[in-house]
Amino acid sequence: SYVLTQPPPVSVAPGETARISCGGDNIEDKRVHWYQQRPGQAPVLVIYYDSARPSGIPDRFSGSNSGNTATLTISRVEAGDEADYYCQVWDSINDQAVFGGGTKVTVL
Amino acid sequence: EVHLLESGGGLVQPGGSLRLSCAASGFTFGKHAMSWVRQAPGKGPEWVSVIGGSGDTTYYADSVKGRFSISRDNSKNTLYLQMKNLTVEDTAVYYCAKVEREPYDYWGQGTLVTVSS
Repeated sequence: SYVLTQPPPVSVAPGETARISCGGDNIEDKRVHWYQQRPGQAPVLVIYYDSARPSGIPDRFSGSNSGNTATLTISRVEAGDEADYYCQVWDSINDQAVFGGGTKVTVL
Repeated sequence: EVHLLESGGGLVQPGGSLRLSCAASGFTFGKHAMSWVRQAPGKGPEWVSVIGGSGDTTYYADSVKGRFSISRDNSKNTLYLQMKNLTVEDTAVYYCAKVEREPYDYWGQGTLVTVSS
């Protein structure tokens, strides 16, 4: 089955930029979606179809997808961005959704 | 406003069964696929199953295939997950999520299923 690999936890100072990668075999051929999950809450969609933002999500959140890596970028990081972030794709070969293992972002 | 409310979770013994429900409102339920996603304590989300808007298409994760069954009643705007032969590895918060083609654009707050003797 398709595997998504995310990096270890990331620490970033307020106002700086956080970049979270999501690795997968030829992931550029898939559409990647990103979710933010704060402690004790349900996941929230922050980026879909690689780079689109749902209404209500700040433009500080952006996404890209190329080669074997998709990236979620959080610019001008704020304290409220502290959360776990998960990437997700649909594996059309096995007809299953796949989530990455998640990356915790800590705001210093 | 979209609202998803899961219910039916609880404590069940290994080998037991449980049926989860998800009441939906705020959108045309029958026009959207719906999914169940679970999250074990301290772990990331794990996809469980998805069902098409009319209910005629279903897919399952390998870990639950043959034990779980997803269904829906569009007249009641309700999604279901029937779970059988539960094991301790099924212990998790179970979320229902609305599917917007591929991404899960709305999630419920989840219902906790604990499998323990």
